[in-house]
Amino acid sequence: QKEVEQNSGPLSVPEGAIASLNCTYSDRGSQSFFWYRQYSGKSPELIMFIYSNGDKEDGRFTAQLNKASQYVSLLIRDSQPSDSATYLCAVKGNGNKLVFGAGTILRVKS
Amino acid sequence: DGGITQSPKYLFRKEGQNVTLSCEQNLNHDAMYWYRQDPGQGLRLIYYSQIVNDFQKGDIAEGYSVSREKKESFPLTVTSAQKNPTAFYLCASSPRDSYGYTFGSGTRLTVV
Repeated sequence: QKEVEQNSGPLSVPEGAIASLNCTYSDRGSQSFFWYRQYSGKSPELIMFIYSNGDKEDGRFTAQLNKASQYVSLLIRDSQPSDSATYLCAVKGNGNKLVFGAGTILRVKS
Repeated sequence: DGGITQSPKYLFRKEGQNVTLSCEQNLNHDAMYWYRQDPGQGLRLIYYSQIVNDFQKGDIAEGYSVSREKKESFPLTVTSAQKNPTAFYLCASSPRDSYGYTFGSGTRLTVV
């Protein structure tokens, strides 16, 4: 079992819809969770992080964390073509190292 | 502006050759990391350093070496022992106990 698992996609949504990206992790001791966006050929950029169970909202983005289910998700409201990218879920346990999932490709169709 | 600079952007390596990828940061971050990214496999940790003059192996350290003589610099050498080095290499840094990384723009290494 991989430490951090994501559906590779591609996930296709129409412009203006909600995109829902999901991630599961295996280490119950994981303490903080991150979502990075990566455009093709570019480096990842941090868009959201969450530490506590529940929801965290930032503009069009909402991160959701359920530690009991070892599940973290990212919702993107009013999706735009510019949101088309690969979204990487990353998890931090003990120490300062991030473990990344393989990423989900999101395509927003105009 | 503060940030992380990786160079070169593109690098070509001949069989049996060692090459060194540069990573410099002016963010005053304590920790630095090297990741490798292959298509469809996400980021895999090669080496990391949480303090000057100290570094640890990550998940795929074989065929790679690093040094951390200065806080600002964390170069990665891809040795001839790395049999499949073609990949996108990403350097990152973070303050100690920070919650996220800042990435450099990456180096794309190709074996010719």
